[in-house]
Amino acid sequence: AQSVTQLDSQVPVFEEAPVELRCNYSSSVSVYLFWYVQYPNQGLQLLLKYLSGSTLVKGINGFEAEFNKSQTSFHLRKPSVHISDTAEYFCAVTLGSGNTGKLIFGQGTTLQVKP
Amino acid sequence: DTAVSQTPKYLVTQMGNDKSIKCEQNLGHDTMYWYKQDSKKFLKIMFSYNNKELIINETVPNRFSPKSPDKAHLNLHINSLELGDSAVYFCASSQGAGRYEQYFGPGTRLTVT
Repeated sequence: AQSVTQLDSQVPVFEEAPVELRCNYSSSVSVYLFWYVQYPNQGLQLLLKYLSGSTLVKGINGFEAEFNKSQTSFHLRKPSVHISDTAEYFCAVTLGSGNTGKLIFGQGTTLQVKP
Repeated sequence: DTAVSQTPKYLVTQMGNDKSIKCEQNLGHDTMYWYKQDSKKFLKIMFSYNNKELIINETVPNRFSPKSPDKAHLNLHINSLELGDSAVYFCASSQGAGRYEQYFGPGTRLTVT
């Protein structure tokens, strides 16, 4: 069975500072990896995804993530955050084959950007 | 145009009542989902339909019954509501399963008193 662990429940950071949100997954088979963002009182929106190929994935709003198979990690980074990046961030995994579309989410990380 | 819409946005009801949440997508997707987000913001899939056929049915109480009248709609009916059903319910859709992005609705906040 697959599982996802987001290592930080809250990450406070000052505006224009870099940030990294950590995600580790567990799976005995190949997986697809996703990062979603949830702004207050809204649904989730896809930031980026890793399916195959280049391990560095670029997404919307200046975010990027690096897939590390040996460390089973998919950490999300942004070099300079804005106040508007304050939101809940979810790492998710789904099977790479024989897939029903079932997304398994991590517990979420609250990014708090301070002025 | 709203891609995935849900009604109602807020639902307050008493224990024991029966309620429904409606979801519609105008993206032409084949696959639709229901997720539950609890008070700690943990998201868990409940159901998934592909072309009106149920393909995911997680360990959800029988009081929850999804219905897909057509590919664009996936409704969730809940019987005999309990306090523990209080949560935010999200509908989502995708072009297919697996590698495809899931598009989420705005959520329905259900409060059972």
